[in-house]
This record gives sequence, structure tokens and C-alpha cells, in this order.
Amino acid sequence: QKEVEQNSGPLSVPEGAIASLNCTYSDRVSQSFFWYRQYSGKSPELIMSIYSNGDKEDGRFTAQLNKASQYVSLLIRDSQPSDSATYLCAVNSENQGGKLIFGQGTELSVKP
Amino acid sequence: KAGVTQTPRYLIKTRGQQVTLSCSPISGHRSVSWYQQTPGQGLQFLFEYFSETQRNKGNFPGRFSGRQFSNSRSEMNVSTLELGDSALYLCASSLAVGAGAEAFFGQGTRLTVV
Repeated sequence: QKEVEQNSGPLSVPEGAIASLNCTYSDRVSQSFFWYRQYSGKSPELIMSIYSNGDKEDGRFTAQLNKASQYVSLLIRDSQPSDSATYLCAVNSENQGGKLIFGQGTELSVKP
Repeated sequence: KAGVTQTPRYLIKTRGQQVTLSCSPISGHRSVSWYQQTPGQGLQFLFEYFSETQRNKGNFPGRFSGRQFSNSRSEMNVSTLELGDSALYLCASSLAVGAGAEAFFGQGTRLTVV
């Protein structure tokens, strides 16, 4: 079992729709969760961090964390073509020495 | 405020050669981590430095090494290059260390080994 799993996609949504990106992790003691966006040919850009169960909203982005289910998700409301990118889920825990464990990423395509 | 700066942006090397990549973190950030990104393996952790000390190391052969200087700038070195070392090498800096620290990536160095 991979430590951090994401559906590779591609996930295709129409412009204006809600895009839902999911991530599961295997280490129960994981403490911190991050979503990065990576455009083709570019480096990852941090868009959200979440540490506690529940929802965290930032503009059109909402991160959701459920530690009991070992599940974290990212919702993008009112999706725009400029949101088309690969979204990487990353997990961090003290027993890993603080290093980030990344999923393989989900490719999102927003169609005009 | 300047972001994470990596140099060079692109490199082409021959098998058997060695290479040194450089990373300057965000001003005030003292933690630097290195990652390798390939299409097949995704983002893989190489090592993490804080205050000139290596805090953590990933599962890479000893050909991969790094260091951090007193000004928090970091270098990584790959010796005896192999074709499989072709990848995007990413440096990330953090203000703090530990599980909660947010990491910000540089533009990366794309290494091609021929």
C-alpha cells in the first residue's frame, strides 16, 4: 500500500463546476496535510495546509480532513480553466522526521 | 520577498560525471529540503537540512549528498551520474522544522544525463 494515494485522473470538469480531489494516507500518526498545485513544466506551489479535522476554506478552495478515515480532500469551487494542473497531496508526521510524503498527483482539466 | 532560488535551471551531463546543484532559501528560512521528481516515481524526498545539520535522509544511494552553509544556502551533489538520475530536482525551504512546517519550492533544476 502506498503511503499517500491519489487518483491519477485525469479529472475533467466543466468551467464553473466544483472539482473534488481526494487523498488517502496510511500513517495514522500523520499530523499535517498539504495541497500543492503544479502546472506543467513548473514547480509545485503550496495552496492549502490543514492540521485539524474539519474544513478549512481559502477563497475558492476548501480542504477537508478526516483523520479517523485517514482522508483529506480539496474542493475547488467555480472551477476555471486556469485551475487545470496536477494537484499533489502531501503528508507530514514527526515520526517521518518532518519530511513530506507526496501522492502521485491528480491531473485536473477544466473545460471552458 | 524573493522566493526559493535554484541554480542552474537546466543541466546536461554525461554518465559518470558529477553535478552540484544550488539552492538559496527564502530569506529567514533555515530549513531546506531536496526532492527528486520523475514521471514514474513522482516526488521523492532526498534530504533535509536545518542549521547546517542533516536532519533526515531519504532512500537514495550514497552518490547523492548535500550540505548546508551558515547562511542557510544548500547544495546537493550527485556523483557518478547514471541515466536514471535524469529528473527535476526541487529544493524547498521552510521557516521552521517539524511536521507543521509549510514548504515552499524553488523552480527546480532539470538534470538530463546522456
